Amino acid sequence: EVQLLQSGGGLVKPGGSLTISCAASGFTFSSYAMTWVRQAPGKGLEWVSGMSRSGGSTYYADSVKGRFTISRDNSKNTLFLQMNSLRAEDTAIYYCAKDQLWAEAGTGVLEYWGQGTLVTVSS
Amino acid sequence: DIQMTQSPSTLSVSVGDRVTITCRASQNIGTWLAWYQQKPGKAPKLLIYKASSLESGVPSSFSGSGSGTEFTLTISSLQPDDVATYYCQQYNSYSRLTFGGGTKVEMK
Repeated sequence: EVQLLQSGGGLVKPGGSLTISCAASGFTFSSYAMTWVRQAPGKGLEWVSGMSRSGGSTYYADSVKGRFTISRDNSKNTLFLQMNSLRAEDTAIYYCAKDQLWAEAGTGVLEYWGQGTLVTVSS
Repeated sequence: DIQMTQSPSTLSVSVGDRVTITCRASQNIGTWLAWYQQKPGKAPKLLIYKASSLESGVPSSFSGSGSGTEFTLTISSLQPDDVATYYCQQYNSYSRLTFGGGTKVEMK
């Protein structure tokens, strides 16, 4: 059974940093691209970042480029999102998601999602 | 970036109704379109990909159609368990995924 178990959310002050994690099991983690998607309270879904299965290619939404860093440890089956210079508008539930296809580059079809982790940026 | 526009934003329906949700892309995306269902407090769930391919385990009451810039998600006969918010998402480019604003389906 595919499982994506997220951790690391919490309350952080504006300008602060936080790293959230997504521990994968039930599939060959190193064979799939992974994605982060967020959802502000009461709002819709927003793509944040994606990474190829090897980690060689990374992609970011303009809203987070230069502040967030996606990474993965294929030996530990874990995906990370390091968030720096956090702003109030970064407050959201962050989801990690597994790509549908076994391929180096992602397709963007998000087949399985983590349970989400809440990041609140407030003073 | 490719903009995705869904309509309507809210739909009030009865059990057994046929439900149609529309999604428009700001440019041609072929059939690189997925639909997700999200229930309150839960993560989204993939329903349909490549505009009309049903994800494994999804009831056949769900169907998708369209290509280019106009797409539809249809629920042939709404059941209480289908009450949720539905999102379309284009994946024409993995480096720039975008979602529609969502359609909330609620019971009358």
